[in-house]
Amino acid sequence: GAVVSQHPSRVICKSGTSVKIECRSLDFQATTMFWYRQFPKQSLMLMATSNEGSKATYEQGVEKDKFLINHASLTLSTLTVTSAHPEDSSFYICSAGQGVNSPLHFGNGTRLTVT
Amino acid sequence: QKEVEQNSGPLSVPEGAIASLNCTYSDRVSQSFFWYRQYSGKSPELIMSIYSNGDKEDGRFTAQLNKASQYVSLLIRDSQPSDSATYLCAVKEYTGNQFYFGTGTSLTVIP
Repeated sequence: GAVVSQHPSRVICKSGTSVKIECRSLDFQATTMFWYRQFPKQSLMLMATSNEGSKATYEQGVEKDKFLINHASLTLSTLTVTSAHPEDSSFYICSAGQGVNSPLHFGNGTRLTVT
Repeated sequence: QKEVEQNSGPLSVPEGAIASLNCTYSDRVSQSFFWYRQYSGKSPELIMSIYSNGDKEDGRFTAQLNKASQYVSLLIRDSQPSDSATYLCAVKEYTGNQFYFGTGTSLTVIP
């Protein structure tokens, strides 16, 4: 089955620093990957759609200059949280699908804590 | 604005009972439908996919789709405490890559 690998699983950083999260499709190519954020006891919130070889599409209210997305290959998308603040502490999850009618497969998520 | 609605619950059922989870969607041209299970602190994992009207069974899980009523459900037979989780309904539009998620239904199976 399709496997999406996300790294790191957990990161603690100081306020003002940047953190990069990697999302890889291990056994399939993904022209599109999705980045979600989830706060405790809340539902998934789509942050952006990552498109291979082009700019990401950000959802309303998500700052593109703060959440930098790079999708340079068909198997790798990265999310960089720049100048992180404590309010950015959250669970970040990436996902990708294999084809037109295929489901999304999720990475294991990254729990970010900004101190 | 495409909407996917689920009863947030919490839904509690005794062990061994049938848990019934429901989802409605607003977009008539939605093509693909999925159920995910999310344990607390973990990412969602796919349980079922369903694409055509009717029932689809996989072990203790049965997905039911009624496109005319814009309704998809998930039945869990012989519920186990390990089934306690949040269940997310997802709908994919016919064209494009976008998935639309419901807010999830919290299920607790009581031993």
